[in-house]
Amino acid sequence: GQQLNQSPQSMFIQEGEDVSMNCTSSSIFNTWLWYKQDPGEGPVLLIALYKAGELTSNGRLTAQFGITRKDSFLNISASIPSDVGIYFCAGPTQGGSEKLVFGKGTKLTVNP
Amino acid sequence: KAGVTQTPRYLIKTRGQQVTLSCSPISGHRSVSWYQQTPGQGLQFLFEYFSETQRNKGNFPGRFSGRQFSNSRSEMNVSTLELGDSALYLCASRRSYQGARTYGYTFGSGTRLTVV
Repeated sequence: GQQLNQSPQSMFIQEGEDVSMNCTSSSIFNTWLWYKQDPGEGPVLLIALYKAGELTSNGRLTAQFGITRKDSFLNISASIPSDVGIYFCAGPTQGGSEKLVFGKGTKLTVNP
Repeated sequence: KAGVTQTPRYLIKTRGQQVTLSCSPISGHRSVSWYQQTPGQGLQFLFEYFSETQRNKGNFPGRFSGRQFSNSRSEMNVSTLELGDSALYLCASRRSYQGARTYGYTFGSGTRLTVV
């Protein structure tokens, strides 16, 4: 089945630094979603991308839909302590089933 | 508006028992999906319901089942619990089932199930 590979698995950064993480697949995706999960909570949708090449921002977050449709990137600028959490990429599978497949996540730790 | 509500938040069950988890979607959302989250496997799709019909199913054994009521509320049931069923079970709702730009799933906080 379709799989999403996220990297890095974890990141330890200093407050104020910029962060980049990515998600790749051997299959084409028509939609890319980026979620953040805080401890003890469900994932929260950050950004949705629907078109190859699309670049979308949400505050300090920027995500891009790769032109090959097989990858996506999420950048966080000027990180703050509340950015701590696990970031997931996700996309709907092909073939009409439309179920979401998720990457394994990137765990972000921000040192004040 | 109220978010997705899952009950209970925590549950401890004994191997061999069965369990029922409940999910109330956001008002106006008619599609409800269920996911299992474990440290090893991550988030895995269980099933999705729309208009009281199961539309999609993941690769889980038949011990995992669900249903949706006319008010869009959903329940999932796991029978003959195994230790490996210990996980965070997440429910997500969205306004409709298919079509472009309908992937704005809103997740609940989950039910933490521990099987002992």
